[in-house]
Amino acid sequence: DADVTQTPRNRITKTGKRIMLECSQTKGHDRMYWYRQDPGLGLRLIYYSFDVKDINKGEISDGYSVSRQAQAKFSLSLESAIPNQTALYFCATSLKGNTEAFFGQGTRLTVV
Amino acid sequence: QKEVEQNSGPLSVPEGAIASLNCTYSDRVSQSFFWYRQYSGKSPELIMSIYSNGDKEDGRFTAQLNKASQYVSLLIRDSQPSDSATYLCAVKSSGAGGTSYGKLTFGQGTILTVHP
Repeated sequence: DADVTQTPRNRITKTGKRIMLECSQTKGHDRMYWYRQDPGLGLRLIYYSFDVKDINKGEISDGYSVSRQAQAKFSLSLESAIPNQTALYFCATSLKGNTEAFFGQGTRLTVV
Repeated sequence: QKEVEQNSGPLSVPEGAIASLNCTYSDRVSQSFFWYRQYSGKSPELIMSIYSNGDKEDGRFTAQLNKASQYVSLLIRDSQPSDSATYLCAVKSSGAGGTSYGKLTFGQGTILTVHP
């Protein structure tokens, strides 16, 4: 089983719908991140969290919200999805300090 | 100015050649630097990390860091077709304890193609 699990893996939703992407990890890491990836733009940080009570906005947080339900779970919500939120979304985790991040398998979201 | 910028691609090299990938960053207090490889439709996977000035070698890969110039690079020697992928540079900020502490920022990626 993957250490960082994202659900769903693929999702098609309609404009205006609320959708939640979920991430859970078994690595015991305290830091969790949500990124979106669009062609030619790399990975852009949406939100990141250092623990349940410490959540920070990234560079593109508008239109998104997050919830850190437990150390192992970090959810990303689109309150009212729009077509330009169509992208590949990745959750990542890391330990405190100068350590690398580990990624989930990604969620491909299409908003029609 | 973007926080992390990579040299524009795509980059195409012949099999057996050296591929050179470059990255600059804007935050002087950045402490950790990573190179990830991403195959199409897959998640990024770490190939190199570097924390201090100089070179770090791992097999065919060499990462180079120059904090004074805010520059980090990745060299791939004896490039193979299987190295064809998108390479992502990532920088972790120390942020001096502020809200940017521990933030991990990626560049836009460089697509590398190694042709036989």
